[in-house]
Parts: sequence; structure tokens; C-alpha cells
Amino acid sequence: DQQVKQNSPSLSVQEGRISILNCDYTNSMFDYFLWYKKYPAEGPTFLISISSIKDKNEDGRFTVFLNKSAKHLSLHIVPSQPGDSAVYFCAASVKFSQGGSEKLVFGKGTKLTVNP
Amino acid sequence: DAGVIQSPRHEVTEMGQEVTLRCKPISGHDYLFWYRQTMMRGLELLIYFNNNVPIDDSGMPEDRFSAKMPNASFSTLKIQPSEPRDSAVYFCASSPLAGIIEETQYFGPGTRLLVL
Repeated sequence: DQQVKQNSPSLSVQEGRISILNCDYTNSMFDYFLWYKKYPAEGPTFLISISSIKDKNEDGRFTVFLNKSAKHLSLHIVPSQPGDSAVYFCAASVKFSQGGSEKLVFGKGTKLTVNP
Repeated sequence: DAGVIQSPRHEVTEMGQEVTLRCKPISGHDYLFWYRQTMMRGLELLIYFNNNVPIDDSGMPEDRFSAKMPNASFSTLKIQPSEPRDSAVYFCASSPLAGIIEETQYFGPGTRLLVL
């Protein structure tokens, strides 16, 4: 069972417009949410995160919104650029049962294509 | 720093053969993670180590999979015998600190495995 779901496998937007990538989760114990970006033939790289005690975090063109009651988060990219074309993974963190580092649970990813 | 290093980058093998994937984490990182990426299941955590000790291997699919970390700068993931359903991209990631989510995980470029 997927605890983190990205229901849109792909998204295509025009350069300069807004890209909105969505993510739903089922585990109310998640305490941190992250977005990773992945280019072909490379590993995922951290993009932006948000704590479960917040509802918005902004970093330049990237903003993540969290709606805890709906168990939903979204990543907004504005304006979108062709270089943003990549696969975006939503991830949620759960404390390991023995404490220590956060365990990340990933969604399947959404492939974003930004057309010039 | 060179980042997380994985080898080989690509591996093609025949069913029944042993496969060994290698990872060198970022120097000074205490945590090492092995992930597998497939179209069906996305990014899955297989196992993670803390200070060279395996902590959680609940994601390891079956006994054919094993992982070791003989020292702080090297880890292996072994599949024996390999099967076609093991075909996937395997990522290694490392993280510097425990329980501090801002110190996120850094991924290697991955090993693309194809089992014929």
C-alpha cells in the first residue's frame, strides 16, 4: 500500500506558467515532507521541504503547501522554466522506531515537462 | 566532495547470476541508505545503516538480497541469485546526522540493473 501517492505520472506546462505538482499521503504520523527533483541518469536531489507544523514554505520560484486536514501537499513552481523539466518525487518522513534519522517514504514521481 | 559514488553505473546479467552493487558514501556521513526504483513501486527503501551497522532491513525483498557495510566508506548490495524482476535502478544515499531533517539525504547516480 502506497502511503505517499502522486496520482499524476506526468504534467506538461508552458514556459512562464505555473506548475502544480500534487501529493497525497495516508499516514497521519508523518512529521516532515520533502520534494526531490531527478534528472535522467542522475540521483534525486533535495529541492524543498516543509514541517508538519507549517502550511507553507517558499524558496525562490518554489513553494510547497501543506493541508494536513486533507493529507495533501503541493509543489508550485512559478514561473516554470525548461530547466525544471524533471521527475519530481514527493517524500514524507517517519521517525525510525529506534529513534535516529528520518526514514523517507517516497511517491512514484511526476514527470514535469516545461515547453519553451 | 565527489558526492556519493556508485558502481557500476550499468549492469546487465543473466538470471541466476550473482550481482554486487557498490557504494561509497560522502565522507563523514553516518547514515547510508539503499533504495530501489521501479516503475510500479517508485522509490523504495531497502535497508539503512548507521555507523556501519544495519538498522532496518525491513524493505529487503527477500533472502536473495543482502547488504554489508564493512567500513565507513564502503557498502555493497548483493543479489544472489538474480531474477528478471530485480531489474531496476538501485540508489545509494548518505546522510550526515540523525534526527535533523534539514540534513537531508544525498543520493548517488544509481546503478541500472537489467537481469535477462
